[in-house]
Amino acid sequence: EDKVVQSPLSLVVHEGDTVTLNCSYEVTNFRSLLWYKQEKKAPTFLFMLTSSGIEKKSGRLSSILDKKELSSILNITATQTGDSAIYLCAVEARGSGGSNYKLTFGKGTLLTVNP
Amino acid sequence: NAGVTQTPKFRILKIGQSMTLQCAQDMNHNYMYWYRQDPGMGLKLIYYSVGAGITDKGEVPNGYNVSRSTTEDFPLRLELAAPSQTSVYFCASTRQVSSPLHFGNGTRLTVT
Repeated sequence: EDKVVQSPLSLVVHEGDTVTLNCSYEVTNFRSLLWYKQEKKAPTFLFMLTSSGIEKKSGRLSSILDKKELSSILNITATQTGDSAIYLCAVEARGSGGSNYKLTFGKGTLLTVNP
Repeated sequence: NAGVTQTPKFRILKIGQSMTLQCAQDMNHNYMYWYRQDPGMGLKLIYYSVGAGITDKGEVPNGYNVSRSTTEDFPLRLELAAPSQTSVYFCASTRQVSSPLHFGNGTRLTVT
């Protein structure tokens, strides 16, 4: 069974702090790892990572994949109150039979940024 | 484009009742998914479809059924609602594998 584990499960920081969120996975036939941000409603897409060691960056957010360690980190620098959300990690892997791909989500990290 | 549209937004069911959660997308996406999200539990895959006429079970399919008669629509049916099905349900779609999912805004279901 595919497994995705995120840590920490929750985190409280002050505005301006830098945070690092972790995601580790155990899947067969890995294809990609995705990060989503979920505020009040639907998750919104942040990054998709397929290659090890290549950093993806968007403003104050960045992420990198380590296929050797089967893990990824999401960094947020100079945090703002608007960064408060659940951050979800998901891993795409090929399903049994080889034809279908499925996404397995971790439980998420609840980030609270206080002013 | 409306994207992925889910209806209803909220619903309260009594134990044993049935209902259908509607999901429609106007992006001509082949792949569609139903997830449920329980507090502190992330998203768990219920059913998915790789195209019209093709559906398959996810991690937690028991108590649910789906159909995919058109590319646009992917309804989720609960036949005999149970309290364990109290959750937030998200429908999602994507054009192809290894592409980000587009999510609907969710349906909050309470079974009492």
